[in-house]
Amino acid sequence: AQKVTQAQTEISVVEKEDVTLDCVYETRDTTYYLFWYKQPPSGELVFLIRRNSFDEQNEISGRYSWNFQKSTSSFNFTITASQVVDSAVYFCALSAIYTGGFKTIFGAGTRLFVKA
Amino acid sequence: DAGVTQSPTHLIKTRGQHVTLRCSPISGHKSVSWYQQVLGQGPQFIFQYYEKEERGRGNFPDRFSARQFPNYSSELNVNALLLGDSALYLCASSRPTRDTRSFFGQGTRLTVV
Repeated sequence: AQKVTQAQTEISVVEKEDVTLDCVYETRDTTYYLFWYKQPPSGELVFLIRRNSFDEQNEISGRYSWNFQKSTSSFNFTITASQVVDSAVYFCALSAIYTGGFKTIFGAGTRLFVKA
Repeated sequence: DAGVTQSPTHLIKTRGQHVTLRCSPISGHKSVSWYQQVLGQGPQFIFQYYEKEERGRGNFPDRFSARQFPNYSSELNVNALLLGDSALYLCASSRPTRDTRSFFGQGTRLTVV
């Protein structure tokens, strides 16, 4: 069975602070994908990043960076110099691949408040 | 190019009624997945369809069903609505079946009274 845990329910920071959102996953599959999505108040989930289980390279995209560690089953997301527009709910997700399809499991989400 | 479109955006139904939600995927995407997101929780996987066949099903009762049409659009049907079915229903489309990067629509907010 697959499981995604986002232990932080809500985080509040002041603009320009760095913030890290934690994600821990469980799976018995050797091939899987990990994702981060952003959900602003409008409700639409916005894709941020995908990582496959064979690629542990960290990634940086502008103010966003991701740290994938298979040894601890974690896929953490850091926002550097946070901005008010970063305020949203962030979801970590795991996709299990099986014959003919896939199934994506989402964590409960972390609500990020960035105050001016 | 248009993104994933869902209709209607909002819906109010009475307990016991039936509802049909619709989704049009991004052009060229052949896989559609449906999720239920209850307020304050993460999306829960309901179904995945690829090439008009069901390829995955989450832990939802048989009151939930779906289908995919030749143009890859999809419908989610829920029978005998319960108050607990009130949620945001999200549709996501992706390319061939093993490309799991999903693009989501804006959702249909269903309220059951």
